[in-house]
Amino acid sequence: NAGVMQNPRHLVRRRGQEARLRCSPMKGHSHVYWYRQLPEEGLKFMVYLQKENIIDESGMPKERFSAEFPKEGPSILRIQQVVRGDSAAYFCASSPSDRWGNYEQFFGPGTRLTVL
Amino acid sequence: AQKVTQAQTEISVVEKEDVTLDCVYETRDTTYYLFWYKQPPSGELVFLIRRNSFDEQNEISGRYSWNFQKSTSSFNFTITASQVVDSAVYFCALSEEDSSYKLIFGSGTRLLVRP
Repeated sequence: NAGVMQNPRHLVRRRGQEARLRCSPMKGHSHVYWYRQLPEEGLKFMVYLQKENIIDESGMPKERFSAEFPKEGPSILRIQQVVRGDSAAYFCASSPSDRWGNYEQFFGPGTRLTVL
Repeated sequence: AQKVTQAQTEISVVEKEDVTLDCVYETRDTTYYLFWYKQPPSGELVFLIRRNSFDEQNEISGRYSWNFQKSTSSFNFTITASQVVDSAVYFCALSEEDSSYKLIFGSGTRLLVRP
């Protein structure tokens, strides 16, 4: 059973370009979460998605960042017009659907974004 | 407000020593969950343990043990007879009942185990 997959593992962008980060959840998982880890810091929650729905985006910057989890295909975190401060590791996690609210999260290996 | 504090930024021990990583949390909820994750040099996040607020029993898993004390809002992690492979950054995290999907992480403790 494959774990959470993220690609690319490393991404280099110049200021002003767009970054697209992809996340394929574990098989059978319908909940996806994105976290950001700035250098030397802990992870910070960004957004929680279910298929075709954004449940909680309270941790997303108001501008330039967007996320989606379409009916088919991976979840995408999109950063438009990247700036140096966007350089970070972006982690995706997934959990199974659970009517008791068990949100046990399994993390992917992360995408390390470097903005030049 | 909810918060997780890991006051130890970095710890260095010699192999076979025991080491305790501290975690102190703040929450107003009576129902909450506590976690520990390991981040080895390769960068991925490895789940170690999840505890709910109603279960104060200490847990032991091999060389790892966890001490949950509600009275001091602490959830400390001890590695017995440390090994070089234990070198990693360790994160403590909290989630609250109303938004139990949202993990609130501490800033991490970097553990270096020297041979």
